[in-house]
Amino acid sequence: QVQLVQSGAEVKKPGSSVKVSCKASGGTFNNHAITWVRQAPGQGLEWMGGIIPMFGTSTYTEKFQGRVTFTADADTTTAYMELSSLRPDDTAIYYCARDREQWLLPYWGQGTLVTVSS
Amino acid sequence: EIVLTQSPATLVLSPGERATLSCRATQSVTDYLAWYQQKPGQAPRLLIFDTSYRATGIPVRFSGSGSGTDFTLTISSLEPEDFAVYYCQQRSSWPPTFGQGTRLEIK
Repeated sequence: QVQLVQSGAEVKKPGSSVKVSCKASGGTFNNHAITWVRQAPGQGLEWMGGIIPMFGTSTYTEKFQGRVTFTADADTTTAYMELSSLRPDDTAIYYCARDREQWLLPYWGQGTLVTVSS
Repeated sequence: EIVLTQSPATLVLSPGERATLSCRATQSVTDYLAWYQQKPGQAPRLLIFDTSYRATGIPVRFSGSGSGTDFTLTISSLEPEDFAVYYCQQRSSWPPTFGQGTRLEIK
């Protein structure tokens, strides 16, 4: 059974960066993409992009290109999402999810709340 | 980018009733359309993938249909635990996108 466990809530100042972790267990880590999705308070789901650990290759949606970096550590089966130049409107729950087929997300982490406030 | 529009925004029904949720795409997604359920404080849960296939453990009262640009999620007889927000998602082309959600509320 695939499980994804994310790091805890963060409070950050505008202009700073945040790094969220996503520890995977069960299944195979390397050859399935880890996708990141965010959800602002009371809003819908927003696809940020993902990484395939086996290749270390990441894809980012246009909105986040240049401001977000995905990494993955195969030894610890942990994926990371780092978002820089934080703004108050980056306040959201950030979810990691693992695909089964391309861009299909049956496995989700519990979410990490990132609050950006001065 | 393919935009998915869900309707209605809110659906108010009673347990035992039939729910019909719609998702329309701005261009064809062939059959690469999924549905997720999200309850307060929880991560989304995959219900239906590739238009009509139920994910593991999803009850048979959930069914999906459609093709191209118009899709439907049907819940045949609502149970109390079905009241939640439902999102459609396309995986036909990059970037994958979600609809804005339909909130299913208890009457």
